[in-house]
Amino acid sequence: QVQLQQSGAELAKPGSSVKISCKASGYTFTSYYISWIKQTTGQGLEYIGYINTGSGGTNYNEKFKGKATLTVDKSSSTAFMQLSSLTPDDSAVYYCANTREGFDYWGQGVMVTVSS
Amino acid sequence: DIVMTQAPLSVSVTPGESASISCRSSKSLLHSNGITYVYWYLQKPGKSPQLLIYRMSNLASGVPDRFSGSGSETDFTLKISRVEAEDVGIYYCGQLLENPFTFGSGTKLEIK
Repeated sequence: QVQLQQSGAELAKPGSSVKISCKASGYTFTSYYISWIKQTTGQGLEYIGYINTGSGGTNYNEKFKGKATLTVDKSSSTAFMQLSSLTPDDSAVYYCANTREGFDYWGQGVMVTVSS
Repeated sequence: DIVMTQAPLSVSVTPGESASISCRSSKSLLHSNGITYVYWYLQKPGKSPQLLIYRMSNLASGVPDRFSGSGSETDFTLKISRVEAEDVGIYYCGQLLENPFTFGSGTKLEIK
C-alpha cells in the first residue's frame, strides 16, 4: 500500500535550518509529484510547493520562496524539504503528500518547533 | 489568491442521518478543459488529512460511496449520507486550479 514516512519531530533555534524527509513506498515514486503542506492552528492548511519527482522541477507558493527548498533523491524514493532562517512563525506540522488527482496520500506529519 | 470559504464551522449529526457541507470559492474553479478543480479532504482526530473527493465529484480510492461531491463554478457541496461514527473530524475543501493552491478553514463534524 502507498505509504509516506516522514522524519521525526524537530526542535530548532531561531535563525537555524532544518531538513525534513518523506520516504515513499508502495508505488512507483516518479508517478506522483510530492507536495508539502504546512498546518497551524491559526493559519490552517497552507500549500508550500511541489516537486516533480521525475525531473526535479519545482513549483512554490510565493509566500514560501526563500523559506522552503524542495529536493528529491530518486534512488531512495525520498523527498526533502529544507526550511531556512527559522522564526517562531515557522513552528507548525509539515506534511508531504503525493499528488496526482489531488493531494492523494499524506505522510504522518512532522512537528517543527522553533524556540530559543 | 483564491479564497475558499466553508460553512458551517461545525455540524452535529445523528448517526444514520445525512450531512452537507458548503464551500464557496472567490473565483470560478472551472477550467477551460471542463474540469472543476475543487477537492475535499477529511482530517480525523489525531490523523493526517485524507483525500475524499477530487475534481468536484470523483470519489477517491477506498472512500465509501456515502460521500459525494457536487457544485457549480464557485459553489460546492460535500454530502455525507448515512453518517457513521467514523466520519467525525474536520472537513476541508481545497482548490488546485491555480498557484497558490488554497484550502478552506474547515468544518468540524461531530456525532450527536
